[in-house]
Amino acid sequence: AQKVTQAQTEISVVEKEDVTLDCVYETRDTTYYLFWYKQPPSGELVFLIRRNSFDEQNEISGRYSWNFQKSTSSFNFTITASQVVDSAVYFCALSEYGNKLVFGAGTILRVKS
Amino acid sequence: GAVVSQHPSRVICKSGTSVKIECRSLDFQATTMFWYRQFPKQSLMLMATSNEGSKATYEQGVEKDKFLINHASLTLSTLTVTSAHPEDSSFYICSAGGRLASYEQYFGPGTRLTVT
Repeated sequence: AQKVTQAQTEISVVEKEDVTLDCVYETRDTTYYLFWYKQPPSGELVFLIRRNSFDEQNEISGRYSWNFQKSTSSFNFTITASQVVDSAVYFCALSEYGNKLVFGAGTILRVKS
Repeated sequence: GAVVSQHPSRVICKSGTSVKIECRSLDFQATTMFWYRQFPKQSLMLMATSNEGSKATYEQGVEKDKFLINHASLTLSTLTVTSAHPEDSSFYICSAGGRLASYEQYFGPGTRLTVT
């Protein structure tokens, strides 16, 4: 069965600090997809990234970067030079072959000015 | 990207009544739609998966007679919470999957249901 663990319940940082959100997953499939979503206070999920299991390249998008390591079943997310607007709940999710998404418990990120 | 809308965004209803939530894919045809529930400070939990023209598949522990799902067209799915109770108060989010990419899901903005 698929499972996603986000061990960090809540993280508080001061603006401009870098912060890494951890995500560890479990799956029996060799084909799967990993996702990160941001959920601001409004509640609407914002898609950040999707990675398939065959692409272990790290990705950088502006201040965001993702580190995918199959050897440790991890897909960590780093925000560089955090800003107050980054405050939100961040979810890591896994989809095995097919559509069904399983979400982690989420990490609340609070960025203080 | 694909746009998914939900209506209403917020609804308050009295205990014992039923409420219907609509989920529409505005610019693409969604063969599959998903309904999630999110209680305060918790994660999203999949309630059911619906395919156009067929019966929904419910996750374990979700009462299919209480949460009626209809996916009558490729652009519309509805979730009806029947005989709502205060414990059904939650944030309901739908997502729509496209034909070409089964792993793609486009999320609606969510509906906050409060049962008094």
